[in-house]
Amino acid sequence: GESVGLHLPTLSVQEGDNSIINCAYSNSASDYFIWYKQESGKGPQFIIDIRSNMDKRQGQRVTVLLNKTVKHLSLQIAATQPGDSAVYFCAKLSTSYGKLTFGQGTILTVHP
Amino acid sequence: DTAVSQTPKYLVTQMGNDKSIKCEQNLGHDTMYWYKQDSKKFLKIMFSYNNKELIINETVPNRFSPKSPDKAHLNLHINSLELGDSAVYFCASSRTLNTQYFGPGTRLTVL
Repeated sequence: GESVGLHLPTLSVQEGDNSIINCAYSNSASDYFIWYKQESGKGPQFIIDIRSNMDKRQGQRVTVLLNKTVKHLSLQIAATQPGDSAVYFCAKLSTSYGKLTFGQGTILTVHP
Repeated sequence: DTAVSQTPKYLVTQMGNDKSIKCEQNLGHDTMYWYKQDSKKFLKIMFSYNNKELIINETVPNRFSPKSPDKAHLNLHINSLELGDSAVYFCASSRTLNTQYFGPGTRLTVL
């Protein structure tokens, strides 16, 4: 069946460092891959997405890389700040069905 | 200026009771969703509605019944609550499928 999973459940970094959060997926039949951020006590918040026919997309301080050969997705956060501390989820979207399938989540902790 | 709102934020109830969670969005989106997040933070879609029509029903027990009185509201009614229903339930809405806006969540605790 379909699954989206993460290599590391936790990541601790120092403020100012760059962070990389990884995600592996087992089924490539999706149109988008999406990263969400969930802060404590809040709902997931859209960060950035990438179409399945792309391999890189940049946003403000974030970059998403998609390697379809090894079915791997990563989120890079530049100059990580304490406000970036949250749980990060990768998800894949099948537009034909309109269904988001979420991965397990990685807890990012940024130390000042 | 709340985008997606849910009530209540916390719900504590006894096993066997019937309860409802309400969701409203003021974004003018056509599609709304319910997700369940378990104690390990795993998020899974339960239902989606587009213009008040059920689109996705992810093998959810029929004790769960979503109701969409209009496209700005999607409520979740749960009958005969069980211990395993304890979770955080998130409502979401979207205009385009790849950008879903989530509500703040309702933490349901079944005793």
